[in-house]
Amino acid sequence: AQTVTQSQPEMSVQEAETVTLSCTYDTSENNYYLFWYKQPPSRQMILVIRQEAYKQQNATENRFSVNFQKAAKSFSLKISDSQLGDTAMYFCAFMDRMNRDDKIIFGKGTRLHILP
Amino acid sequence: EPEVTQTPSHQVTQMGQEVILRCVPISNHLYFYWYRQILGQKVEFLVSFYNNEISEKSEIFDDQFSVERPDGSNFTLKIRSTKLEDSAMYFCASSGKGGRLLYGYTFGSGTRLTVV
Repeated sequence: AQTVTQSQPEMSVQEAETVTLSCTYDTSENNYYLFWYKQPPSRQMILVIRQEAYKQQNATENRFSVNFQKAAKSFSLKISDSQLGDTAMYFCAFMDRMNRDDKIIFGKGTRLHILP
Repeated sequence: EPEVTQTPSHQVTQMGQEVILRCVPISNHLYFYWYRQILGQKVEFLVSFYNNEISEKSEIFDDQFSVERPDGSNFTLKIRSTKLEDSAMYFCASSGKGGRLLYGYTFGSGTRLTVV
């Protein structure tokens, strides 16, 4: 069974700093997707960034980028120039691309505080 | 941008009562999901639904739970006899067909269920 592990329950950084959230996963599959979701206090699940396992190039979305190390099964999220609005719970997640139903498996989350 | 709509946003129910959570998936999506997040914990997969039947369910989704697509637009989750431990945030999600993620995998804003 696939698992997703986030080893940092909580982090705090100053506004404008760069922060990296860690994630490791375990799977025997070769074809899958990885995601980072943001959950602000409103509790909505917002997709931040997505990485396809067959792509070697790390995904980027504006201030958000990932460091995808497939052999190490590591998928960290880097937030550059952090803003107060980045304060949220961040979930790393996995989807087996060969699974017909596309269920997503989530890690336990990292609570990120951006300090003014 | 198309949205997954969930109603109500917050529901309070007495233990032992039946509750129905409602979702309107994105109109051209064919796969539907329910996830649950107990307060402060990770998001967990409950069930996936395709072609008018359950395609996968987790061990959480026991006989007290059922899902239905009563018409062409709604997707519901019913809990027959609620327990205190059913208190959680329930997220509905939907995704498209074929290269499914190309068509988006979208979460609703959630329904907070409180069982008293």
